Amino acid sequence: DVKVTQSSRYLVKRTGEKVFLECVQDMDHENMFWYRQDPGLGLRLIYFSYDVKMKEKGDIPEGYSVSREKKERFSLILESASTNQTSMYLCASSLDLTPTDTQYFGPGTRLTVL
Amino acid sequence: EDQVTQSPEALRLQEGESSSLNCSYTVSGLRGLFWYRQDPGKGPEFLFTLYSAGEEKEKERLKATLTKKESFLHITAPKPEDSATYLCAAQEGGGADGLTFGKGTHLIIQP
Repeated sequence: DVKVTQSSRYLVKRTGEKVFLECVQDMDHENMFWYRQDPGLGLRLIYFSYDVKMKEKGDIPEGYSVSREKKERFSLILESASTNQTSMYLCASSLDLTPTDTQYFGPGTRLTVL
Repeated sequence: EDQVTQSPEALRLQEGESSSLNCSYTVSGLRGLFWYRQDPGKGPEFLFTLYSAGEEKEKERLKATLTKKESFLHITAPKPEDSATYLCAAQEGGGADGLTFGKGTHLIIQP
């Protein structure tokens, strides 16, 4: 079974703090993704990575950065947290297969920025 | 702009009452259409991937179908444990890419 873990289930931070969200997958997947999920807006892609040290912007990258130093680990960084970044953050990974590759999700981190 | 639209937003059924959830998409060059189930406070759980029009997949009381413009998730004789939000997502052709998600259908099965 694919396992995607996220470092925290719940996190409370203050405005202006630097926040790190960690994601680890144990299936040697090439691709990793960060989404945020908000009521009425659904899941939206922030960043993804198709290889170590590689990253691509998703639909809403502003205010975020990412780091992938090892294949199994993908970090999402909020350089200076703001209240509008309060959300559920979901990490996913996929094995790079054709014609398509299924993404498997972690349990999510609910971040509250005060 | 690529879009995925799910309907209805919410659906309340009696136990045993079959129904269908709809997902329409305008992604060009569809590479895959995904269905996920999400329980409150948890990450989405993968259900099905559909690749081409006419394809069908089944799992227990769920069956997913795909046409050139939409996908349906049919729920036959549902049970209360089928209550969840069902998410549809589309992936455009070519390379590693994120999914475009619909906003989901919140399904409640009453005993």
